[in-house]
Amino acid sequence: DADVTQTPRNRITKTGKRIMLECSQTKGHDRMYWYRQDPGLGLRLIYYSFDVKDINKGEISDGYSVSRQAQAKFSLSLESAIPNQTALYFCATSRLVSDTQYFGPGTRLTVL
Amino acid sequence: AQKVTQAQTEISVVEKEDVTLDCVYETRDTTYYLFWYKQPPSGELVFLIRRNSFDEQNEISGRYSWNFQKSTSSFNFTITASQVVDSAVYFCALSEATGTYKYIFGTGTRLKVLA
Repeated sequence: DADVTQTPRNRITKTGKRIMLECSQTKGHDRMYWYRQDPGLGLRLIYYSFDVKDINKGEISDGYSVSRQAQAKFSLSLESAIPNQTALYFCATSRLVSDTQYFGPGTRLTVL
Repeated sequence: AQKVTQAQTEISVVEKEDVTLDCVYETRDTTYYLFWYKQPPSGELVFLIRRNSFDEQNEISGRYSWNFQKSTSSFNFTITASQVVDSAVYFCALSEATGTYKYIFGTGTRLKVLA
C-alpha cells in the first residue's frame, strides 16, 4: 500500500461548490503539506502543518482552508471553488522540516 | 531570498544519448538542502536525491549522476544512456535548514527521450 494517499484522484466540480481533498499517510511523519501544481509554475505551497495543533499558511493560501484531524490526516478545502483553482494538488509529508518530502499521487481538480 | 532556476523548459534527446538537466539556486543560508524529483506522465512525484550544502561530493546511482558545485550555485543532473522510460518532468528544489518549512521548486524541465 502507498505511504501517502489522496482522495479523490480526480474531481470535476462547478464554480461556487465546496470541495474537500483528503490526504492520509502511514509514514508516521509529523509534517504535512499541501501544494498545487500549475503548468510552467512548478509547485507552490498552500498550507503546511508541523503537528496536529500547528497549521500555517503557505504562499498561496487565499481561497483555501485546511484541517489536521490527526497526525495521519490532513484535508484541504476549497470553500467556494473558482475556475482558476483548476490544478493538480499534491499532499506531502516529512519527518523533519528539512527532510525529504514524500508526495502523494496527486488530485486533479477541474472547476468549471 | 530563495530561488531555483531551471532554465531548460524542454529537452529532446534520442535514446542512448546522455543528457544534463541544469539547476541553479539562490540562498543566503550556509546550510541548505537540494533535491531532485521526477514526475513521469502518470503524474506522481518521485524522489530521486537529497544533498546537503556541506557535501559537495558528486553522486552516482546507476545511469543517474549529480554534480553539486557551490561555487556556481548549481546542482545539475545527468542521465547517461537515456531511455524512453526517462521521459518525464524533472524538478529541482531547495530547502533552507534554518527553521523554515518549505521547499522552493524550480519550474521543471520536461525531458523527452525519443526511440
